[in-house]
Amino acid sequence: TQLLEQSPQFLSIQEGENLTVYCNSSSVFSSLQWYRQEPGEGPVLLVTVVTGGEVKKLKRLTFQFGDARKDSSLHITAAQPGDTGLYLCAGEGFNKFYFGSGTKLNVKP
Amino acid sequence: NAGVTQTPKFQVLKTGQSMTLQCAQDMNHEYMSWYRQDPGMGLRLIHYSVGAGITDQGEVPNGYNVSRSTTEDFPLRLLSAAPSQTSVYFCASSPDRNSPLHFGNGTRLTVT
Repeated sequence: TQLLEQSPQFLSIQEGENLTVYCNSSSVFSSLQWYRQEPGEGPVLLVTVVTGGEVKKLKRLTFQFGDARKDSSLHITAAQPGDTGLYLCAGEGFNKFYFGSGTKLNVKP
Repeated sequence: NAGVTQTPKFQVLKTGQSMTLQCAQDMNHEYMSWYRQDPGMGLRLIHYSVGAGITDQGEVPNGYNVSRSTTEDFPLRLLSAAPSQTSVYFCASSPDRNSPLHFGNGTRLTVT
């Protein structure tokens, strides 16, 4: 059983479309991170959110942490082929990081 | 900056063989951890260490041993490989237990 559930599992969209990826849990986390992973490489950190209700923007990417610190979302505006990859959320608690199962995004030119 | 270095990149084992996956970091990070990544399962924590001489179990520790004799190195030992251990293994480090993780590029292990 995954502590963090991500949806959707797969997403294939055209360049220029918007999308939202969700990361949900019944547990409260001290912080939540989003990573992006490309084939053959390890995940790379995109952002950390710490405060309930926090919103962070990274160019076309907008990250939100739920008020209760149990869930998060990643919104991408005007997706580009370079956004293609596996997006992973991770919650931090009790010296450990718990990862979601990931959302595999494919952006077609 | 080497960051987190994992060796080997690929390994094939027969059932029952043992081996050690190496992980080294040059960032003086206190926290190190091992994950396995399987399709549809995301990353699952095997073992972690909050500093030299200290290790603890994660979600899926059975069949794996670790030690942390230095800050830099955190090897993962498979005692008697099983096909269920076929996976991609990632080592990660961070300055402390609360900071985001820096990952290596993984070791792809196949057990036949």
